[in-house]
Amino acid sequence: SAVISQKPSRDICQRGTSLTIQCQVDSQVTMMFWYRQQPGQSLTLIATANQGSEATYESGFVIDKFPISRPNLTFSTLTVSNMSPEDSSIYLCSAEGDRGPTVSGYTFGSGTRLTVV
Amino acid sequence: RKEVEQDPGPFNVPEGATVAFNCTYSNSASQSFFWYRQDCRKEPKLLMSVYSSGNEDGRFTAQLNRASQYISLLIRDSKLSDSATYLCVVNGWNSGNTPLVFGKGTRLSVIA
Repeated sequence: SAVISQKPSRDICQRGTSLTIQCQVDSQVTMMFWYRQQPGQSLTLIATANQGSEATYESGFVIDKFPISRPNLTFSTLTVSNMSPEDSSIYLCSAEGDRGPTVSGYTFGSGTRLTVV
Repeated sequence: RKEVEQDPGPFNVPEGATVAFNCTYSNSASQSFFWYRQDCRKEPKLLMSVYSSGNEDGRFTAQLNRASQYISLLIRDSKLSDSATYLCVVNGWNSGNTPLVFGKGTRLSVIA
């Protein structure tokens, strides 16, 4: 399966600051996604990171708060801007599996555990 | 109605037991179905895809009923290492490359 390196693995940030999370895939992938998982909850899709165009955001998530870059087919970043304690969560990137999404679903990075104080 | 619904559990079972998890999905156009496993403080990992004819991988059997929009996972001869949260996952109502939609997960604890 595709291997995704995600960093940082965790961070503690002051409110009002921003944090950029990076994901590097070891092969070219068409689709990359960003998810959020709040404590005790399942994964919620934030946006689809599109290469060469603006990300596609889900309801409740906006570009000003969660700007995303996708400069090429192996890399994406998610920034959590102007953070508040409500942004404390685990953020995960994902990319299609090596046998295509309908067979092997998607692979995930190891996650970034963010705490905003 | 939530898009993917699961019984949250927890299911507490003894080693060697057989346990079954169920899941329903709301979008009849869904095309791909999966079970993921998530260990505490780890990312989700694919356990198995679910095919229309049903499929088995060792002690794990997955079934799909499209008419009822229902997916199941059966674990036989449970091991302590099976303790985790099992996520029912669906995608593909527009094309194969749509994002995954996750259920909230069913927590399993296998007890010695």
